[in-house]
Amino acid sequence: AQSVTQLGSHVSVSEGALVLLRCNYSSSVPPYLFWYVQYPNQGLQLLLKYTSAATLVKGINGFEAEFKKSETSFHLTKPSAHMSDAAEYFCAVSTTGGYNKLIFGAGTRLAVHP
Amino acid sequence: DTGVSQDPRHKITKRGQNVTFRCDPISEHNRLYWYRQTLGQGPEFLTYFQNEAQLEKSRLLSDRFSAERPKGSFSTLEIQRTEQGDSAMYLCASSYPTNRDYGYTFGSGTRLTVV
Repeated sequence: AQSVTQLGSHVSVSEGALVLLRCNYSSSVPPYLFWYVQYPNQGLQLLLKYTSAATLVKGINGFEAEFKKSETSFHLTKPSAHMSDAAEYFCAVSTTGGYNKLIFGAGTRLAVHP
Repeated sequence: DTGVSQDPRHKITKRGQNVTFRCDPISEHNRLYWYRQTLGQGPEFLTYFQNEAQLEKSRLLSDRFSAERPKGSFSTLEIQRTEQGDSAMYLCASSYPTNRDYGYTFGSGTRLTVV
């Protein structure tokens, strides 16, 4: 079975500081991994995805994530936080098979303060 | 491409009442998914359609829940005899995987409050 663990339910950074949101996965087969962002009372927006191509994945809004098989990790980073980055972030792994059901982590709420 | 639409955005209902939500996927997407998200948690898979066929239902989907996707277009999720524990955000997503692109597009969700 596949699973995702997000370390830290709340992360707080200063504007302009590095953002690091941690995600570890468990999968018995090569995974497909995703990061989504959710703003209050909204659905989920895809930030980036890893689908077995390049291990360093660049996404929207300056975010990127690196797939590290040896560490079973897919941490999300952004060099310089903006106030608009404050939101909930979810890491997800896709099941294998024909329909790619997503298994989500519990989420990390990012706060950005001036 | 107008994205995935969900209706209504918010629903308040009394315990014991039936509710129905609608999801309109992106028109060329043949796969449609329902997820439930409770406060402070990540979305949990409920069910999945490929075209009009419902191919998997989660154990979370009790007998009070039913989903349909007639003609492989829009989908409805009905909850009968609602309970307070059904209060959650219900998210719909659609996809059309080509070239091993497994990206989903999510709707904005329907927030259900059972009082």
